Amino acid sequence: AQTVTQSQPEMSVQEAETVTLSCTYDTSESDYYLFWYKQPPSRQMILVIRQEAYKQQNATENRFSVNFQKAAKSFSLKISDSQLGDAAMYFCASGTYKYIFGTGTRLKVLA
Amino acid sequence: DTGVSQDPRHKITKRGQNVTFRCDPISEHNRLYWYRQTLGQGPEFLTYFQNEAQLEKSRLLSDRFSAERPKGSFSTLEIQRTEQGDSAMYLCASSQTGEDYGYTFGSGTRLTVV
Repeated sequence: AQTVTQSQPEMSVQEAETVTLSCTYDTSESDYYLFWYKQPPSRQMILVIRQEAYKQQNATENRFSVNFQKAAKSFSLKISDSQLGDAAMYFCASGTYKYIFGTGTRLKVLA
Repeated sequence: DTGVSQDPRHKITKRGQNVTFRCDPISEHNRLYWYRQTLGQGPEFLTYFQNEAQLEKSRLLSDRFSAERPKGSFSTLEIQRTEQGDSAMYLCASSQTGEDYGYTFGSGTRLTVV
């Protein structure tokens, strides 16, 4: 069965500091994608960053970057220069068109 | 385009009643998905459409659940004879075919069965 595991239910980071959220996955697919989604309180889920599994180069989007280790099936998200607006639930997801989501990590940003 | 719209935002219903939710995807997107999210969990896949064809249904989708996308545009998700365990956030998302760039999600419909 395909699984996505986020082992950190909650993380805190000081404003302007860097934080890394962990995600491991298991899949039988040969071609797949990995995603991080952000879900602010009572707001819709938005895509933060996307990684194509066949590409070794780690994806980056402004302050957000990933560390993709395909052999280890690890896909962590690094947020640099954290801002108050980064506070949200973060979900890791794996798949192609149909995704398996992890249980999420709640990120708190401390002023 | 205003993104993915879901209606209603909230629904409270008595156990045993039927409910129907609507999703309007981004107009250029021909794939539409329904997910369910319970408290403290990530979204779980229910079903998806490509145009008007329902291509896959999860085993989570019991025979009390039915989804349609009659003209390949908006979609409806109906739950018959609701149970308390159906209480959840029902999320709709859409995407294009071709390379997978991820979903655009709607704001969801929160269902409470009392």
